[in-house]
Amino acid sequence: GAGVSQSPSNKVTEKGKDVELRCDPISGHTALYWYRQSLGQGLEFLIYFQGNSAPDKSGLPSDRFSAERTGGSVSTLTIQRTQQEDSAVYLCASSSSGTGEAGANVLTFGAGSRLTVL
Amino acid sequence: AQSVTQPDIHITVSEGASLELRCNYSYGATPYLFWYVQSPGQGLQLLLKYFSGDTLVQGIKGFEAEFKRSQSSFNLRKPSVHWSDAAEYFCAVGTTSGTYKYIFGTGTRLKVLA
Repeated sequence: GAGVSQSPSNKVTEKGKDVELRCDPISGHTALYWYRQSLGQGLEFLIYFQGNSAPDKSGLPSDRFSAERTGGSVSTLTIQRTQQEDSAVYLCASSSSGTGEAGANVLTFGAGSRLTVL
Repeated sequence: AQSVTQPDIHITVSEGASLELRCNYSYGATPYLFWYVQSPGQGLQLLLKYFSGDTLVQGIKGFEAEFKRSQSSFNLRKPSVHWSDAAEYFCAVGTTSGTYKYIFGTGTRLKVLA
């Protein structure tokens, strides 16, 4: 697609429920990132996918968080047994990679999914 | 490990005044450097980037930034601020090898007085 698409744009859930957030990156972008932005905070790195390599999960805050990327394209971030502290905007970004490519290694962000846990 | 510091959480300037937002980074090599802007309720938009070459880079909306290796800084500037520039600004560092991780600062919220 022309841009990074995220859904849902808003999600309200009850504590303890599971949620899935979806990211559809720019077509052809091999790298995909998830970040979390809490109120008044910066962007917290969560996970990074690059091609067929094993993802870098070093930013996931707990084992309740997981993500997958199917077919090197769409990614789903899953939060199990949600807690109130999980309330935040979850941002997805994608980039192309490689040297000499115009726009390479520049993150393009989606509009985000705002999660509210009651 | 790389890190990014934006020492100013909030900045208020009058419309038409000049602006400088500070960014300092920590990284063992020359990183990729970025400034992004986030308007209320919007996603992040790239303002400008530095990969190599000329240390003064021009971006969109009249912004520029200067990479100073000796100071590990990449400050964002604009000679004359417009009311529409009110937003949150994020500096980011990208590694130039390995896993291409991008680390963001905590942001500077800009308020513009009419």
